[in-house]
Amino acid sequence: EDKVVQSPLSLVVHEGDTVTLNCSYEVTNFRSLLWYKQEKKAPTFLFMLTSSGIEKKSGRLSSILDKKELFSILNITATQTGDSAIYLCAESNSNSGYALNFGKGTSLLVTP
Amino acid sequence: DTEVTQTPKHLVMGMTNKKSLKCEQHMGHRAMYWYKQKAKKPPELMFVYSYEKLSINESVPSRFSPECPNSSLLNLHLHALQPEDSALYLCASRVTGGLYNEQFFGPGTRLTVL
Repeated sequence: EDKVVQSPLSLVVHEGDTVTLNCSYEVTNFRSLLWYKQEKKAPTFLFMLTSSGIEKKSGRLSSILDKKELFSILNITATQTGDSAIYLCAESNSNSGYALNFGKGTSLLVTP
Repeated sequence: DTEVTQTPKHLVMGMTNKKSLKCEQHMGHRAMYWYKQKAKKPPELMFVYSYEKLSINESVPSRFSPECPNSSLLNLHLHALQPEDSALYLCASRVTGGLYNEQFFGPGTRLTVL
């Protein structure tokens, strides 16, 4: 069965810290890995990764995929209290109509 | 228009009621999805529609009945639900073909079954 495992499950940091969130996956017919941010509403799209070693960046957030080792990381630099959320990693493959198979998420709390 | 809309935002229903959730997008996406998200859990897939045809049903009980009347609209009909069906119901859409399979989520309908 396809699996997506995120770590840590929860994290508390101080404003200004840098955090690294991890996502490993075991899937057949892998197509892409996606990161979402979820606050008290629907998930919002952050990144989609399909190729190894190519970093995607958006402001203070960046992400990279390692297809050989089957993992991805999401980095957030200079964290702010507004970064507090659950960060979800999901894989998408052709077996399931490209539906998203989510990990359990990492709950991040950034304290002032 | 780059968003997925869902109505209603909140719904409270009894176990004998019949209600429907609605999802709409005007991005030309031909793949649409229903997910269910329980508290403190990630979203779980319920149904996949591709070109208005149901392509995947993740063993969802028949009290949930999806419908895709056209390429922009997705409904989820609810009948005789149980209290354990209370959850956030999320609709998502995706452009088909090519390498671009980001899914964009609507705001969700928060359902409470009494």
